[in-house]
Amino acid sequence: NAGVMQNPRHLVRRRGQEARLRCSPMKGHSHVYWYRQLPEEGLKFMVYLQKENIIDESGMPKERFSAEFPKEGPSILRIQQVVRGDSAAYFCASSPFLGGEAEAFFGQGTRLTVV
Amino acid sequence: DAKTTQPTSMDCAEGRAANLPCNHSTISGNEYVYWYRQIHSQGPQYIIHGLKNNETNEMASLIITEDRKSSTLILPHATLRDTAVYYCIVRVLSDSGNTPLVFGKGTRLSVIA
Repeated sequence: NAGVMQNPRHLVRRRGQEARLRCSPMKGHSHVYWYRQLPEEGLKFMVYLQKENIIDESGMPKERFSAEFPKEGPSILRIQQVVRGDSAAYFCASSPFLGGEAEAFFGQGTRLTVV
Repeated sequence: DAKTTQPTSMDCAEGRAANLPCNHSTISGNEYVYWYRQIHSQGPQYIIHGLKNNETNEMASLIITEDRKSSTLILPHATLRDTAVYYCIVRVLSDSGNTPLVFGKGTRLSVIA
């Protein structure tokens, strides 16, 4: 059973471009969480999605950031018009179902560098 | 904000048990205690979780006090590869929804040869 897959592992974007980060959850997992980790800081929750639904987006910046988890395909975190401050590691995690003692498994992250 | 308090850093000799404390004095009845670790810049790795009983798995043991206000993660025989930042997290699990993991600053464990 493959783990949580994130791609690309490294992404370089110029200021003003768009960044698309993909997360394929573990097989059978229908819940995805996105986190951001700035250099030398802890992980900050961004958004929690179920297939075709956003459950909690309280950690998402109000502008330029969006996330989706379609019925088919990976979850996508989209950052429009990137700025230098968006440079960070972005991690996603997946868990199998709503409720219950389900641990979340993390991917290896996408390291975004804005130049 | 994280609802747990952990020491900033700890050292442990290789081969010895590492005991990492966590204070969660405001924990509520439906909150579980979870432990994750992050080795260098990798994705966080699940270690163990529990509600009120002590738990043990192949990686670690989790000791939760009777009043549930604190807990200790025990790595029985620490190795150099256990050097990481360890996060103690409290989290609601329910049929109506699991709350996201809220990471604090964690404890930076250094295992020394």
